[in-house]
Amino acid sequence: QKEVEQDPGPLSVPEGAIVSLNCTYSNSAFQYFMWYRQYSRKGPELLMYTYSSGNKEDGRFTAQVDKSSKYISLFIRDSQPSDSATYLCAMSGEGQNFVFGPGTRLSVLP
Amino acid sequence: NAGVMQNPRHLVRRRGQEARLRCSPMKGHSHVYWYRQLPEEGLKFMVYLQKENIIDESGMPKERFSAEFPKEGPSILRIQQVVRGDSAAYFCASSRTSGMSDTQYFGPGTRLTVL
Repeated sequence: QKEVEQDPGPLSVPEGAIVSLNCTYSNSAFQYFMWYRQYSRKGPELLMYTYSSGNKEDGRFTAQVDKSSKYISLFIRDSQPSDSATYLCAMSGEGQNFVFGPGTRLSVLP
Repeated sequence: NAGVMQNPRHLVRRRGQEARLRCSPMKGHSHVYWYRQLPEEGLKFMVYLQKENIIDESGMPKERFSAEFPKEGPSILRIQQVVRGDSAAYFCASSRTSGMSDTQYFGPGTRLTVL
């Protein structure tokens, strides 16, 4: 079992849809959870940063962390074609390296 | 405020040559991380450095790969005697404070192609 798993996609949705992106993990020591967006042939760009369990909202983006289930999600409301990218989850614990999921490729169709 | 800068953006080398990848962290950041990304795969941690110190190199191959972050100048990831399997995108990230839990900001990457 990989330490962090993520549906690879690709995921295609119509413009305006609500998108749900998910990651599961096996290491119960993870406390810091991040979502990055990566456009083709570009570097990852930090979207959301969450510590421990709970929800965090920023504009159209909401991050959820459920440590009891070892499951994190990123929701995108009112998706736009400009949201088309690969979304990477990442996580770490105290004194631990970042571990990234393989990424989910999202296409938002106009 | 300039972000993380990497150069070159694209690098082509023949098998057996050396590749040098450079990374300048964001202003005010003194912690640098190198990652490798293969097609359709996530980012794999390679090495974590502070000025003049390697903090964690557990993700870096033991042979042919080395990294440094001198007191002055950019961080360098050096790959000696490159092989085709080294072809990948190499990303550098930087953070303000110590510890892997701090937010990391990524550069645009260097795409290495080994012929």
